[in-house]
Amino acid sequence: DQQVKQNSPSLSVQEGRISILNCDYTNSMFDYFLWYKKYPAEGPTFLISISSIKDKNEDGRFTVFLNKSAKHLSLHIVPSQPGDSAVYFCAASARGATNELIFGTGTLLAVQP
Amino acid sequence: GAVVSQHPSRVICKSGTSVKIECRSLDFQATTMFWYRQFPKQSLMLMATSNEGSKATYEQGVEKDKFLINHASLTLSTLTVTSAHPEDSSFYICSAESGYGYTFGSGTRLTVV
Repeated sequence: DQQVKQNSPSLSVQEGRISILNCDYTNSMFDYFLWYKKYPAEGPTFLISISSIKDKNEDGRFTVFLNKSAKHLSLHIVPSQPGDSAVYFCAASARGATNELIFGTGTLLAVQP
Repeated sequence: GAVVSQHPSRVICKSGTSVKIECRSLDFQATTMFWYRQFPKQSLMLMATSNEGSKATYEQGVEKDKFLINHASLTLSTLTVTSAHPEDSSFYICSAESGYGYTFGSGTRLTVV
């Protein structure tokens, strides 16, 4: 059973608009969440993270929201740019930031010019 | 959904010995599997791409003779860390592309003492 789920395999957004990528998890022991971005033929690169003691973390155009009661997190990108087109993975860890990660299956974001 | 089983989840080995990590796709055929190494700040580095029945493609800077990859069947890929040294201690994770997107294994924490 997948502990981290990204139910939307793809998302298409117009340049300048907001992109919202969603992620759900089932393990209530998860206390650290991360978003990664992956371009073709490259490994995922870290984008932004959030600890379970927070409900929001912002870094430039990227904001991650955490709803612990719903076991749901989302990544907002605003404004979206064509260079943001990539696969986005959410990941969760049950034992802090440096430990093993459980990944979702990814969402392909396409930002249309 | 697609599942990639990776084991062992944790292994401690002595310096100079070799360690084999296995990744199996349980309910789909993975003609291609990706091997990553996790570095500080949560970034994942793509080490190599293994292709069933042919030689793996290594990323620049990854030693082929040290990190042996075998992809002998459509459901199994292995990474062998040969003559391990303490600097090889890290978190190794595999992934494969299925009809559900990219599926990651649960990772292997290697500690070389």
